[in-house]
Amino acid sequence: KNEVEQSPQNLTAQEGEFITINCSYSVGISALHWLQQHPGGGIVSLFMLSSGKKKHGRLIATINIQEKHSSLHITASHPRDSAVYICAVLYTDKLIFGTGTRLQVFP
Amino acid sequence: EAQVTQNPRYLITVTGKKLTVTCSQNMNHEYMSWYRQDPGLGLRQIYYSMNVEVTDKGDVPEGYKVSRKEKRNFPLILESPSPNQTSLYFCASSPPLWREGHYEQYFGPGTRLTVT
Repeated sequence: KNEVEQSPQNLTAQEGEFITINCSYSVGISALHWLQQHPGGGIVSLFMLSSGKKKHGRLIATINIQEKHSSLHITASHPRDSAVYICAVLYTDKLIFGTGTRLQVFP
Repeated sequence: EAQVTQNPRYLITVTGKKLTVTCSQNMNHEYMSWYRQDPGLGLRQIYYSMNVEVTDKGDVPEGYKVSRKEKRNFPLILESPSPNQTSLYFCASSPPLWREGHYEQYFGPGTRLTVT
C-alpha cells in the first residue's frame, strides 16, 4: 500500500466546473505539498501547508491532520488548468509523492 | 530571475559510461534534492541535501552519487548507468522545508535520460 494515495487518478471536467482532488496519507507528516505538472513536463509548486487552508486565486488547499487527508479544489475550472496534480508529504526530511491526478478540462 | 537550471536536458548514453547531470540554483536555498519520475510510479526522491557538505539518501539512492560542495550546485552522478536508470530527472531547491510559511520547492525543467 502506498503511503500517499490520490483520488481520482483521472478526472475530466467541463469548463467552469468545481474540481476536487483528494490526497490521503498514512504517515505522520510535518507538511504537505501540492504540485502541478504541465503537459510539457515542468513542475510548479502550488501550496505547502501544515494546517488549515490556503487560497491562491482559484485554487484552494485544505488539510486535516487528524484525518490525514488533504484536498485541492479548483473553482471555475478552465482548460489551462489541464495538468497532472501531485500531492507530496514531508516525512522527516524526505518528500513522499502520490502518483498524481490527471485533470483535463474541456471548453 | 529566480530559477533552477539542469544540464543536459536530454541525454542518450550507453550502459556503464559515467555521466553527471548538473543542477544549479540562484536563490541561495539551503535545501536541494534530486527526483526521478517514472510512469506509474510517480516522483521518487533519490538524494537530498540540507546544506553544504550535508547529503542524505532518499527512497531510491542505489546507483547514484551526489555532492554539495557549494550552496548553489548539486550534481547527480551516475558512475555506471544501467537501463533501469532511464527516467525523467528533476532537481529542486527550497529554503529549509520545516519552516512554516509560503516556502515552496522550485523545480528545474527536467533531464530526460535514456540508457541503452
